[in-house]
Amino acid sequence: SQQGEEDPQALSIQEGENATMNCSYKTSINNLQWYRQNSGRGLVHLILIRSNEREKHSGRLRVTLDTSKKSSSLLITASRAADTASYFCATFLDAGNKLTFGGGTRVLVKP
Amino acid sequence: EAQVTQNPRYLITVTGKKLTVTCSQNMNHEYMSWYRQDPGLGLRQIYYSMNVEVTDKGDVPEGYKVSRKEKRNFPLILESPSPNQTSLYFCASSPARGGTRPYEQYFGPGTRLTVT
Repeated sequence: SQQGEEDPQALSIQEGENATMNCSYKTSINNLQWYRQNSGRGLVHLILIRSNEREKHSGRLRVTLDTSKKSSSLLITASRAADTASYFCATFLDAGNKLTFGGGTRVLVKP
Repeated sequence: EAQVTQNPRYLITVTGKKLTVTCSQNMNHEYMSWYRQDPGLGLRQIYYSMNVEVTDKGDVPEGYKVSRKEKRNFPLILESPSPNQTSLYFCASSPARGGTRPYEQYFGPGTRLTVT
């Protein structure tokens, strides 16, 4: 099974609402990253949070990390139609140099 | 412009015909990686390279080869493609900050491969 698993798999919201998605992982990590992918395109890095950090902000994005629960959440505030995309968490393990992606959350923001 | 380029973007080929997908980055990144993306399976890492002449297997390396002779290039080779390698492939690069761990990945636009 995957190291990172997102929840929910899909999310539909109205423009202006907040969108929250979660990521759970299994083993000790060095850092956790969130990416956005517009349909069929390459992934774009959004934010990275290190294992010794608990919260990070970037514009309308807020990421939290709870290493005791092995989980992270991504909050997009005041969503826009342009936020419609798939969002992936990726974990970088403490051992080795592999980056492992979760299955993603598809977010639809309706205007 | 800082970017990762992949070629070709689309490829339809037949079983057993060797092919190479090229990947190049102009950001002087140490770390490069290949992923495949399949519906319901997310992105899975095929191979990665920490630097020139240093490559290692990811989670799904079977049926693929890579080489890293120059820092900017990281080609993916399918010696004998099979239909189960039909997928969307992404190359990515990353700076190895502090000389150790790679951090944020910069992705190429993707190569859609169909093997019949």
